[in-house]
Amino acid sequence: QQPVQSPQAVILREGEDAVINCSSSKALYSVHWYRQKHGEAPVFLMILLKGGEQKGHDKISASFNEKKQQSSLYLTASQLSYSGTYFCGTEISYNDYKLSFGAGTTVTVRA
Amino acid sequence: NAGVTQTPKFQVLKTGQSMTLQCAQDMNHEYMSWYRQDPGMGLRLIHYSVGAGITDQGEVPNGYNVSRSTTEDFPLRLLSAAPSQTSVYFCASSFYRGTREGYTFGSGTRLTVV
Repeated sequence: QQPVQSPQAVILREGEDAVINCSSSKALYSVHWYRQKHGEAPVFLMILLKGGEQKGHDKISASFNEKKQQSSLYLTASQLSYSGTYFCGTEISYNDYKLSFGAGTTVTVRA
Repeated sequence: NAGVTQTPKFQVLKTGQSMTLQCAQDMNHEYMSWYRQDPGMGLRLIHYSVGAGITDQGEVPNGYNVSRSTTEDFPLRLLSAAPSQTSVYFCASSFYRGTREGYTFGSGTRLTVV
């Protein structure tokens, strides 16, 4: 069952912040975040596991609210290189082996 | 260290033809999977494997077969191509025992069925 991402698209100026949300109707074991630039493969950003901590990667960080079955990705002080489509992927259990992806959020950062 | 290698990068097939998309990884990953990506729909799981000799279906398996005879290779076969299979196909791999890690994706195969 695919998670739901919001918003579908966001436009930022350099230096602005943004939040991308990912929600599931089922309890989750893990949440992955990936970024894909046009014509390229998705690139792994970070993974959050049930019972784990908030993660960070440069000025991009994420949180995982297990009770609400939600994760949020925070883009702080955005740079031009942050442009791309961000996907969350979710697993419902350790033995599930099926990572389901959301439809993606397109982020455009302008100078 | 090549990571995940997919071939071919582009392919045009006629309806009814069959073909195999190749995927190889050199990271000794147990887990490998195939996704298709269509505009506005994200990535949808076709088949996956947790080790040599073990495969299972994902969300959209119809029209596709897989096998995993070695840890390194995970080919995807289209049995009788249909226009609905026009898509970009990505192979991904990961370590899976113990803790979870992120997926490494191949560069993709853009398939057009006419």
